[in-house]
Amino acid sequence: AQSVTQPDIHITVSEGASLELRCNYSYGATPYLFWYVQSPGQGLQLLLKYFSGDTLVQGIKGFEAEFKRSQSSFNLRKPSVHWSDAAEYFCAVGALDGAGNMLTFGGGTRLMVKP
Amino acid sequence: GAVVSQHPSWVICKSGTSVKIECRSLDFQATTMFWYRQFPKQSLMLMATSNEGSKATYEQGVEKDKFLINHASLTLSTLTVTSAHPEDSSFYICSACRAGLNEQFFGPGTRLTVL
Repeated sequence: AQSVTQPDIHITVSEGASLELRCNYSYGATPYLFWYVQSPGQGLQLLLKYFSGDTLVQGIKGFEAEFKRSQSSFNLRKPSVHWSDAAEYFCAVGALDGAGNMLTFGGGTRLMVKP
Repeated sequence: GAVVSQHPSWVICKSGTSVKIECRSLDFQATTMFWYRQFPKQSLMLMATSNEGSKATYEQGVEKDKFLINHASLTLSTLTVTSAHPEDSSFYICSACRAGLNEQFFGPGTRLTVL
């Protein structure tokens, strides 16, 4: 069974600073990897995804993530954080089975942005 | 494309009543739909997977008589919380898969409060 670990429960960064959110996964085959963002009381918005190919993936809102198979990681980065980026971020790994694409979510990282 | 809606966005009900939540794929046919539950400041927990025209598959620990799932068409799945109690208060999120795509599209969520 697959699993996802987001080691940082909370992260606080200053506006304009760079950001890296960590994600480690466990899965026996090549994973499908996702990063989602959730604002309070809202659903999930897909930031980016990795299925295959180039291991550096560009997403929306200036985010990118790099798949490193050797480290079983898919860390999310942004060079300059904006106050509007404050939210909860979830990493997820997907696996195909008979029912379709099953997602397993990490515990989430809450990002706070200081002015 | 790939828009998923949920109705209602929020609902308050008395203990002992039943509540139905709808999940619709607006611009695509969803071969599989998923229902998640999210407690405050926690990650998403998969409750069940439903395929159109067949019985839902529930995750371990989820009471299928308590959380009735119906996937009557390729664009609609419903979750009915029967005889709701305060401990059922939560944020319920659905997602839908489109045939041939290894990605889930998420609804905006439904906040259920049971008094």
